[in-house]
Amino acid sequence: DVKVTQSSRYLVKRTGEKVFLECVQDMDHENMFWYRQDPGLGLRLIYFSYDVKMKEKGDIPEGYSVSREKKERFSLILESASTNQTSMYLCASSLSWDREETQYFGPGTRLLVL
Amino acid sequence: DAKTTQPTSMDCAEGRAANLPCNHSTISGNEYVYWYRQIHSQGPQYIIHGLKNNETNEMASLIITEDRKSSTLILPHATLRDTAVYYCIVRGLYGQNFVFGPGTRLSVLP
Repeated sequence: DVKVTQSSRYLVKRTGEKVFLECVQDMDHENMFWYRQDPGLGLRLIYFSYDVKMKEKGDIPEGYSVSREKKERFSLILESASTNQTSMYLCASSLSWDREETQYFGPGTRLLVL
Repeated sequence: DAKTTQPTSMDCAEGRAANLPCNHSTISGNEYVYWYRQIHSQGPQYIIHGLKNNETNEMASLIITEDRKSSTLILPHATLRDTAVYYCIVRGLYGQNFVFGPGTRLSVLP
């Protein structure tokens, strides 16, 4: 079974802090994704990566950056956290870019920015 | 990507089959239908996907109409642990991400 793990289930940070969210997958997947999920807005793609050191902006990249130094690890960085970044953050991975390739999600990190 | 329409909520008795419908009338010929579910406060869980033919796995069955404009996810013997929000997603060609709509909130009742 594919396993996608996220470093924290719950996180509380203060406005202006730098925040790191870590995601690790154990199935040698090429692609990794970061989404945020908010009530009434569904899942929105922040960034994705299709290879080590490669990254692409998703629909809402502003205020975020990412890092992928190793194939299995994809980090989401909030350079200066703000209250509007309070959300559920979901990491996902998929094997390749084949159009029917399934994405597998981690358990999520619920971030509260005070 | 084609948009999907699902009922907002449904109830199902424990042990009975849960049939969750999805309309995707603008689907194109090379788009797949995916189903995920999300149990409260957890990440979405993949259930099943298909293109034209009906599909079955250990979790569910997927019935796609011949014109591909709608589909039904069937949980053959619903349990309380199947209570979740179920998302029907149509994925476009070389799509990088999955677009999750509001889904159907399924409540399995004892």
